[in-house]
Amino acid sequence: GENVEQHPSTLSVQEGDSAVIKCTYSDSASNYFPWYKQELGKRPQLIIDIRSNVGEKKDQRIAVTLNKTAKHFSLHITETQPEDSAVYFCAKSGDDKIIFGKGTRLHILP
Amino acid sequence: GAGVSQSPSNKVTEKGKDVELRCDPISGHTALYWYRQSLGQGLEFLIYFQGNSAPDKSGLPSDRFSAERTGGSVSTLTIQRTQQEDSAVYLCASGGASLNTEAFFGQGTRLTVV
Repeated sequence: GENVEQHPSTLSVQEGDSAVIKCTYSDSASNYFPWYKQELGKRPQLIIDIRSNVGEKKDQRIAVTLNKTAKHFSLHITETQPEDSAVYFCAKSGDDKIIFGKGTRLHILP
Repeated sequence: GAGVSQSPSNKVTEKGKDVELRCDPISGHTALYWYRQSLGQGLEFLIYFQGNSAPDKSGLPSDRFSAERTGGSVSTLTIQRTQQEDSAVYLCASGGASLNTEAFFGQGTRLTVV
């Protein structure tokens, strides 16, 4: 129940198309779900987060949805651009430490 | 400084030697994490400190790895008798007093064991 499963591990999309990354978990205590972006050679940085009292949050081209009943949450990137190429990590936390997914390597194709 | 600071940025050591990696978290942050990231891989959890609670050491890969956090601030990750498979980037992150807040990462220490 501690882990968070992230899919896919690799994703290639044409520039301008949308990208979706999904994560699932199994515990009931998790109520905070952040997403981190790690560009090549750099540190992971928070790009968006969502708490369990909302179902969706948007920030420009990025949105996150949460289905707490089904215990899954997703990152949506619209109108993808070359600078979106990176590794994306979902994460969860509740009454204990943050748990990260294994990451999704997103490639934006020209 | 305003962010999480790690030192050294790069460390090359000979197999069998001990190394110490340092993390200065953001002032006032009670949560501190250590992760290991091998090339092209994900974030491997090592250890978690939260305030004055006993650390969660469940991710340490062997008894050669240990970590301390003095005075609730600076943390040191020690690797004894280093092996080539210890080569990786070691990332530190800190977070606020509330459990459900953003974790801020340091720039990492790239460790190379030759």
